[in-house]
Amino acid sequence: DQQVKQNSPSLSVQEGRISILNCDYTNSMFDYFLWYKKYPAEGPTFLISISSIKDKNEDGRFTVFLNKSAKHLSLHIVPSQPGDSAVYFCAASGWRGGGADGLTFGKGTHLIIQP
Amino acid sequence: NAGVTQTPKFRVLKTGQSMTLLCAQDMNHEYMYWYRQDPGMGLRLIHYSVGEGTTAKGEVPDGYNVSRLKKQNFLLGLESAAPSQTSVYFCASSYGRDNTEAFFGQGTRLTVV
Repeated sequence: DQQVKQNSPSLSVQEGRISILNCDYTNSMFDYFLWYKKYPAEGPTFLISISSIKDKNEDGRFTVFLNKSAKHLSLHIVPSQPGDSAVYFCAASGWRGGGADGLTFGKGTHLIIQP
Repeated sequence: NAGVTQTPKFRVLKTGQSMTLLCAQDMNHEYMYWYRQDPGMGLRLIHYSVGEGTTAKGEVPDGYNVSRLKKQNFLLGLESAAPSQTSVYFCASSYGRDNTEAFFGQGTRLTVV
Protein backbone atom coordinates (compact mmCIF):
# COMPACT_ATOMS: atom_id res chain seq x y z
CA ASP A 1 0.00 0.00 0.00
CA GLN A 2 1.73 3.10 -1.26
CA GLN A 3 1.33 5.98 1.17
CA VAL A 4 2.98 8.60 -1.04
CA LYS A 5 2.10 8.55 -4.72
CA GLN A 6 3.61 10.33 -7.67
CA ASN A 7 1.44 9.26 -10.57
CA SER A 8 3.51 10.80 -13.35
CA PRO A 9 6.70 8.81 -13.98
CA SER A 10 7.94 11.51 -16.34
CA LEU A 11 7.22 15.07 -17.36
CA SER A 12 8.59 17.07 -20.27
CA VAL A 13 8.59 20.89 -20.11
CA GLN A 14 10.01 23.54 -22.35
CA GLU A 15 12.79 25.72 -20.96
CA GLY A 16 11.43 28.93 -19.46
CA ARG A 17 7.96 27.53 -18.83
CA ILE A 18 6.49 26.36 -15.53
CA SER A 19 7.03 22.79 -14.31
CA ILE A 20 4.36 21.37 -12.00
CA LEU A 21 5.05 18.09 -10.20
CA ASN A 22 2.27 16.46 -8.24
CA CYS A 23 2.16 14.22 -5.20
CA ASP A 24 -0.69 12.58 -3.26
CA TYR A 25 -0.58 10.95 0.15
CA THR A 26 -2.94 8.71 2.09
CA ASN A 27 -1.59 8.73 5.66
CA SER A 28 -3.26 11.43 7.76
CA MET A 29 -0.40 11.19 10.29
CA PHE A 30 2.00 12.84 7.86
CA ASP A 31 2.60 16.42 8.90
CA TYR A 32 5.78 17.43 7.12
CA PHE A 33 6.46 17.14 3.40
CA LEU A 34 9.68 17.44 1.44
CA TRP A 35 10.85 17.45 -2.15
CA TYR A 36 14.17 15.96 -3.13
CA LYS A 37 16.01 16.23 -6.42
CA LYS A 38 18.21 13.44 -7.70
CA TYR A 39 20.72 13.35 -10.53
CA PRO A 40 21.98 9.99 -11.90
CA ALA A 41 24.68 8.34 -9.78
CA GLU A 42 24.21 10.84 -6.97
CA GLY A 43 22.29 10.85 -3.72
CA PRO A 44 19.06 12.83 -3.37
CA THR A 45 19.46 16.47 -2.37
CA PHE A 46 16.93 18.40 -0.36
CA LEU A 47 15.01 21.02 -2.32
CA ILE A 48 12.14 22.45 -0.31
CA SER A 49 9.75 21.46 2.45
CA ILE A 50 6.42 22.44 3.95
CA SER A 51 4.81 21.89 7.30
CA SER A 52 1.17 20.86 7.52
CA ILE A 53 0.35 24.14 9.27
CA LYS A 54 1.11 26.02 6.05
CA ASP A 55 -0.36 25.84 2.57
CA LYS A 56 2.51 27.39 0.66
CA ASN A 57 6.27 27.71 0.92
CA GLU A 58 8.45 29.54 -1.56
CA ASP A 59 12.20 29.49 -2.14
CA GLY A 60 13.42 31.30 -5.22
CA ARG A 61 12.12 29.54 -8.33
CA PHE A 62 10.59 26.74 -6.26
CA THR A 63 7.19 26.82 -4.58
CA VAL A 64 5.44 23.97 -2.82
CA PHE A 65 1.67 24.03 -2.29
CA LEU A 66 -0.15 21.83 0.20
CA ASN A 67 -3.86 21.01 0.10
CA LYS A 68 -4.50 19.06 3.30
CA SER A 69 -8.15 18.36 2.62
CA ALA A 70 -7.26 16.74 -0.69
CA LYS A 71 -4.05 15.18 0.70
CA HIS A 72 -2.23 16.65 -2.26
CA LEU A 73 0.92 18.68 -2.73
CA SER A 74 2.61 20.12 -5.77
CA LEU A 75 5.99 21.56 -6.62
CA HIS A 76 6.14 24.48 -9.02
CA ILE A 77 9.36 25.44 -10.75
CA VAL A 78 9.33 28.71 -12.65
CA PRO A 79 11.04 29.42 -14.91
CA SER A 80 12.30 25.92 -15.71
CA GLN A 81 15.98 25.65 -16.56
CA PRO A 82 18.03 22.86 -18.20
CA GLY A 83 19.74 22.11 -14.87
CA ASP A 84 16.34 21.24 -13.43
CA SER A 85 16.29 18.02 -15.46
CA ALA A 86 16.40 15.32 -12.77
CA VAL A 87 14.22 12.88 -10.86
CA TYR A 88 12.10 14.57 -8.19
CA PHE A 89 10.95 12.65 -5.15
CA CYS A 90 8.12 13.66 -2.89
CA ALA A 91 8.61 12.54 0.73
CA ALA A 92 6.54 12.71 3.88
CA SER A 93 7.25 12.49 7.58
CA GLY A 94 5.08 11.94 10.60
CA TRP A 95 7.48 13.39 13.19
CA ARG A 96 5.23 15.85 14.89
CA GLY A 97 2.21 13.65 14.47
CA GLY A 98 3.92 10.80 16.26
CA GLY A 99 4.11 8.65 13.16
CA ALA A 100 6.93 6.39 12.01
CA ASP A 101 10.48 7.69 12.01
CA GLY A 102 12.22 8.30 8.72
CA LEU A 103 10.79 9.53 5.44
CA THR A 104 8.27 7.81 3.19
CA PHE A 105 9.06 8.43 -0.47
CA GLY A 106 7.06 8.41 -3.65
CA LYS A 107 8.42 6.62 -6.73
CA GLY A 108 9.66 9.83 -8.31
CA THR A 109 8.96 11.91 -11.41
CA HIS A 110 11.60 12.30 -14.09
CA LEU A 111 11.51 15.94 -15.19
CA ILE A 112 12.98 16.69 -18.61
CA ILE A 113 13.53 20.31 -19.58
CA GLN A 114 13.65 20.73 -23.33
CA PRO A 115 15.51 23.64 -24.96
CA ASN B 1 32.92 19.48 5.16
CA ALA B 2 32.25 16.08 3.62
CA GLY B 3 28.63 15.69 4.79
CA VAL B 4 27.57 12.04 4.45
CA THR B 5 30.12 9.60 3.03
CA GLN B 6 29.40 6.02 2.03
CA THR B 7 31.95 3.27 1.36
CA PRO B 8 32.24 1.40 -0.89
CA LYS B 9 30.62 3.04 -3.93
CA PHE B 10 30.30 -0.23 -5.86
CA ARG B 11 30.42 -3.89 -4.90
CA VAL B 12 29.65 -7.24 -6.48
CA LEU B 13 28.90 -10.13 -4.14
CA LYS B 14 28.23 -13.79 -4.67
CA THR B 15 25.08 -15.25 -3.16
CA GLY B 16 25.72 -16.19 0.45
CA GLN B 17 28.65 -13.83 0.99
CA SER B 18 28.57 -11.19 3.69
CA MET B 19 29.59 -7.56 3.67
CA THR B 20 29.29 -4.32 5.59
CA LEU B 21 28.45 -0.92 4.18
CA LEU B 22 29.85 2.03 6.09
CA CYS B 23 28.20 5.42 6.46
CA ALA B 24 29.97 8.35 8.10
CA GLN B 25 28.63 11.84 8.76
CA ASP B 26 30.47 14.87 10.08
CA MET B 27 27.47 17.10 10.87
CA ASN B 28 26.94 15.84 14.43
CA HIS B 29 23.49 14.56 13.46
CA GLU B 30 21.59 12.41 15.94
CA TYR B 31 19.51 10.50 13.40
CA MET B 32 20.86 8.21 10.69
CA TYR B 33 19.07 6.03 8.14
CA TRP B 34 19.67 3.34 5.55
CA TYR B 35 17.45 3.27 2.46
CA ARG B 36 17.42 1.13 -0.64
CA GLN B 37 16.28 2.21 -4.08
CA ASP B 38 15.15 -0.25 -6.72
CA PRO B 39 14.22 0.51 -10.37
CA GLY B 40 10.87 2.27 -10.61
CA MET B 41 10.62 2.51 -6.85
CA GLY B 42 11.09 5.26 -4.37
CA LEU B 43 13.52 4.96 -1.51
CA ARG B 44 12.47 2.46 1.15
CA LEU B 45 13.69 2.62 4.72
CA ILE B 46 15.67 -0.42 5.89
CA HIS B 47 16.82 0.55 9.40
CA TYR B 48 17.38 3.75 11.28
CA SER B 49 19.00 5.07 14.44
CA VAL B 50 17.90 7.91 16.69
CA GLY B 51 21.22 8.16 18.52
CA GLU B 52 24.46 6.43 19.39
CA GLY B 53 23.83 2.86 20.53
CA THR B 54 20.25 2.74 19.20
CA THR B 55 18.78 1.04 16.13
CA ALA B 56 15.27 0.35 14.87
CA LYS B 57 13.61 -1.45 11.98
CA GLY B 58 12.18 0.38 9.03
CA GLU B 59 9.91 -0.77 6.22
CA VAL B 60 12.15 -3.49 4.71
CA PRO B 61 14.56 -4.74 7.44
CA ASP B 62 14.71 -8.47 6.63
CA GLY B 63 18.16 -9.75 5.68
CA TYR B 64 19.98 -6.72 7.11
CA ASN B 65 21.53 -5.78 10.42
CA VAL B 66 22.84 -2.43 11.61
CA SER B 67 25.02 -0.97 14.32
CA ARG B 68 25.62 2.55 15.64
CA LEU B 69 28.57 2.24 17.99
CA LYS B 70 29.73 5.80 17.32
CA LYS B 71 27.51 8.80 16.70
CA GLN B 72 29.13 9.59 13.37
CA ASN B 73 28.98 6.07 11.92
CA PHE B 74 26.10 3.82 10.89
CA LEU B 75 26.94 0.37 9.54
CA LEU B 76 24.66 -1.80 7.39
CA GLY B 77 25.45 -5.50 7.29
CA LEU B 78 24.34 -8.26 4.96
CA GLU B 79 25.03 -11.62 6.64
CA SER B 80 24.15 -13.84 3.67
CA ALA B 81 23.58 -11.85 0.49
CA ALA B 82 20.74 -12.77 -1.86
CA PRO B 83 20.04 -11.60 -5.44
CA SER B 84 16.95 -9.77 -4.11
CA GLN B 85 19.35 -7.47 -2.26
CA THR B 86 20.76 -6.15 -5.51
CA SER B 87 19.99 -2.45 -5.18
CA VAL B 88 21.38 1.02 -4.65
CA TYR B 89 21.79 1.77 -0.98
CA PHE B 90 21.64 5.29 0.42
CA CYS B 91 22.61 6.44 3.85
CA ALA B 92 21.18 9.66 5.27
CA SER B 93 21.38 11.69 8.44
CA SER B 94 19.34 14.45 10.03
CA TYR B 95 19.35 16.63 13.14
CA GLY B 96 16.34 14.87 14.54
CA ARG B 97 12.79 15.39 15.55
CA ASP B 98 12.70 19.17 15.09
CA ASN B 99 14.25 19.15 11.64
CA THR B 100 13.41 16.32 9.32
CA GLU B 101 15.51 17.46 6.38
CA ALA B 102 17.78 14.50 5.68
CA PHE B 103 21.17 14.72 3.99
CA PHE B 104 22.07 11.79 1.76
CA GLY B 105 25.28 10.08 0.78
CA GLN B 106 26.16 9.38 -2.84
CA GLY B 107 24.96 5.79 -2.71
CA THR B 108 26.42 2.28 -2.92
CA ARG B 109 25.53 0.16 -5.92
CA LEU B 110 25.44 -3.48 -4.81
CA THR B 111 25.02 -6.42 -7.19
CA VAL B 112 24.49 -9.93 -5.84
CA VAL B 113 25.08 -12.69 -8.40
